[in-house]
Amino acid sequence: QQQVKQSPQSLIVQKGGIPIINCAYENTAFDYFPWYQQFPGKGPALLIAIRPDVSEKKEGRFTISFNKSAKQFSLHIMDSQPGDSATYFCAASRIQGAQKLVFGQGTRLTINP
Amino acid sequence: DVKVTQSSRYLVKRTGEKVFLECVQDMDHENMFWYRQDPGLGLRLIYFSYDVKMKEKGDIPEGYSVSREKKERFSLILESASTNQTSMYLCASSLGGARRETQYFGPGTRLLVL
Repeated sequence: QQQVKQSPQSLIVQKGGIPIINCAYENTAFDYFPWYQQFPGKGPALLIAIRPDVSEKKEGRFTISFNKSAKQFSLHIMDSQPGDSATYFCAASRIQGAQKLVFGQGTRLTINP
Repeated sequence: DVKVTQSSRYLVKRTGEKVFLECVQDMDHENMFWYRQDPGLGLRLIYFSYDVKMKEKGDIPEGYSVSREKKERFSLILESASTNQTSMYLCASSLGGARRETQYFGPGTRLLVL
């Protein structure tokens, strides 16, 4: 049972475009929503995270938008660069059993020069 | 910087072999995790440990066991490897406590079971 559904599976964007990756969750007890970035040959690394008490969080060119009523959150990358090409994973965790992250299926993002 | 190291980057084993994957973290983290990563399925939690000698099953523990005898080391054991365990295995660690701490991942071990 996939508790966090991520789309699209792959995405190709021209440099300077704004790729958007979407995630939807089912468990209303989730209260922490991180995004991880993974480059080839490396393990995932935390990119940005949000809690449901805010609707948006921005760090540099990366923004998370959060819609609690729809149980959806998304990652936007402004002014995308070829160096942003990576696999992105959304995740969620709940108050009980803290530290246990449930990951989405991943999105392979390619930014063409 | 937190460093999580995994004993092998690539491993080839035969069906039925006992396989040990080792993970070491150098930041005195309480929590350690084992995931497997498969295309289209994301990362799925196999086991995690929140203290020495403590372990808890994740979402897909069948066919796996773990060992944590020292705080810095967390081992994943495939008792009898099967072809459907061919995958990328990722170890992670986090500080612990009730806060939602960042998980730090190792580079992964790509396991091929023939």
